Order: sequence, then structure tokens, then C-alpha cells
Amino acid sequence: GAVVSQHPSWVICKSGTSVKIECRSLDFQATTMFWYRQFPKQSLMLMATSNEGSKATYEQGVEKDKFLINHASLTLSTLTVTSAHPEDSSFYICSARDVLAGRNEQFFGPGTRLTVL
Amino acid sequence: QQQVKQSPQSLIVQKGGISIINCAYENTAFDYFPWYQQFPGKGPALLIAIRPDVSEKKEGRFTISFNKSAKQFSLHIMDSQPGDSATYFCAASYRGYQKVTFGTGTKLQVIP
Repeated sequence: GAVVSQHPSWVICKSGTSVKIECRSLDFQATTMFWYRQFPKQSLMLMATSNEGSKATYEQGVEKDKFLINHASLTLSTLTVTSAHPEDSSFYICSARDVLAGRNEQFFGPGTRLTVL
Repeated sequence: QQQVKQSPQSLIVQKGGISIINCAYENTAFDYFPWYQQFPGKGPALLIAIRPDVSEKKEGRFTISFNKSAKQFSLHIMDSQPGDSATYFCAASYRGYQKVTFGTGTKLQVIP
């Protein structure tokens, strides 16, 4: 149980284009999902907290107009990187909490490797 | 106060040996301490977790030792295997606070 998927697993795009990454909880309802960014050999940096049916809460220094987050259902959250540039190239990871199970742990997706040319 | 310090940054252990990774925290409100294992190109996977009301938790070859007074906790991997080679992250959070604070990570290499 508690499986989180991400799509796509990797994406290459041209500078200036927008890219959408999907995060799905497959076997549980996730009222809260999280988006992280991870640079090579570094820890995970929380970008935003996404609550179903409401606006995402962004961490300090994260541009909300550049990283659009939508959490339209209890099993799906999306991250759109708008007008992507090479510096946005990174490994993006989502996670979800199984709130109904009353557990604190987050379950992570497999990540999406974004490369902006 | 939200920081979780992790050491060492990298670790090389002989097969069959014990791998030890240490973490320390400042925020005494933290009440949940998970460890994650991450393989290259993959998302982190929950390995084992502990709450501060116990001093030790063991699951198979993995043990968390927790010292509440010192605000430290550690991961011990017994009989380390080459398949354990990965990056390990300690983390901390507290009830009602959804965010998880991650340590800086330890890259473990188990050599035959």
C-alpha cells in the first residue's frame, strides 16, 4: 500500500516552454501532497505544500508564478514549470501523506528528471 | 531550529560490517523521526521511523537509536550488504506540522 507515482519519469524541453509533472497517490487518498526539488548530491528542498481544493503554500524563495501547483483531487497533484530555463533543470519529487490512516509519514514518488536545453 | 544535522557525508563499509549514521536536531517539538533510503534516480523510500517515547527500534538489520536528552538519533545497519549502497537521509517532523525537515544525507558504499 501507500504507492505514489509520478509522470513523466524524465522530460527534456526547450528553454521557454512549460512542463507539467503529475503526482498520483494510487491506493490512498492524499489531502496533502508535497513538492520537492533535489540537486545532484544534495538533500531534498521543499518547494510547496499542496492541499486538495485550496491554494498551495510555497516555501520562501520559491516563485509561485513559475512553479504552478494544482491539487484538484484527493489523488492527483500537478506541478507546472512555466517558461522553463536551464537553471530549472533538476530532479522533482512529490510526496503524499496518508492522512486517513492517521500516519505522519510521507510516501514519495519516484521522481521526475527535468532537463531544460 | 528547524535544522537536522547529519554525519558523516559519506561512508565506506566492508560487507558484513556495521554502518552508523548520526543525526542531531534542535527543535524539541519534533516527535517523529524517519529515515529514508534513496537510490540514484529514484525517490526516497521510508526505511524505518521512531517516536521519542522509545530509545530504540529495530526492523531486521536496521536499528534506530534515539537519545532524547542529547537530541540525537542514529541509524545502524548491521551486516551491511552491497545492496545497501545508497544515500540515507534522516528527517524530523512534529504532529500538526506537515513539513518534514531532512538531514543533508549520507552516501553509503558497501564494498565486497
